[in-house]
Amino acid sequence: SAVISQKPSRDICQRGTSLTIQCQVDSQVTMMFWYRQQPGQSLTLIATANQGSEATYESGFVIDKFPISRPNLTFSTLTVSNMSPEDSSIYLCSVGGLAGGFTDTQYFGPGTRLTVL
Amino acid sequence: AQSVTQPDIHITVSEGASLELRCNYSYGATPYLFWYVQSPGQGLQLLLKYFSGDTLVQGIKGFEAEFKRSQSSFNLRKPSVHWSDAAEYFCAVGARGGGSQGNLIFGKGTKLSVKP
Repeated sequence: SAVISQKPSRDICQRGTSLTIQCQVDSQVTMMFWYRQQPGQSLTLIATANQGSEATYESGFVIDKFPISRPNLTFSTLTVSNMSPEDSSIYLCSVGGLAGGFTDTQYFGPGTRLTVL
Repeated sequence: AQSVTQPDIHITVSEGASLELRCNYSYGATPYLFWYVQSPGQGLQLLLKYFSGDTLVQGIKGFEAEFKRSQSSFNLRKPSVHWSDAAEYFCAVGARGGGSQGNLIFGKGTKLSVKP
C-alpha cells in the first residue's frame, strides 16, 4: 500500500470561511477520491479527483461548495467553501490504482477533522 | 439500490473471546467486498478484501471473512480478540470495474469494545 498524508490533521474554523485540505501520496496513483464522514456516521463519497480535468461529483455535492484540484498523480486538494456548522466532519482522501495497477482497492489517508463554529 | 447493512451498531467482547461482525449487502451482481478498521482519531485501514476465488479470505491482524453468496453476507471473524482490536469496523462493497467511479458503498459501521 501507499503512504498517504493529509494536511491539516484537524482545524477549527469560523462560519463563512473556507478551508483547503491537502492529500499527498508517496507514489503515483491512478485514482484519488474524497469522502466525508459526519459525526457518528459512515463514509460518503464526495467526488473523484481527476488528473488534469474537473472532478466528478456525487449526487448532493457541487463544485462551488467543494472545489477539488488534482494537478498531478500524487497530489490533490479539497476546499470546503463558505463553511457552516453542518460541514463539521472528518474529510478523508483515498487512492486507488497504485503504480497504475488494479484500481478497485482504495487506501485511505488519516483524515482531516474539521470543526466549524 | 446498492446497500450495505451492518446490523450491530456496538458489540462488546471479552479479551480472548471470538468475534464475528456481520455484514449483508444488496447488489445486482457479485461485488467486490472489503472490511476496513478505523481506530479512534485515525483514518481507515484495509483489513481484507474479496474479489473472486476462495470464499474464505485472510486479512491482517488475524482477521478473516467469508463470502456467502446465498446469504449476501461477508462476515468478519477473529478467533481471539485482543484489546488493541477495539475500534470501529466498516464493511464496504465496490462495483466490479468501478474503480474509475469510486463507488465504494459503506455500511454504518460496528463499534467494537473489548473488556479486559
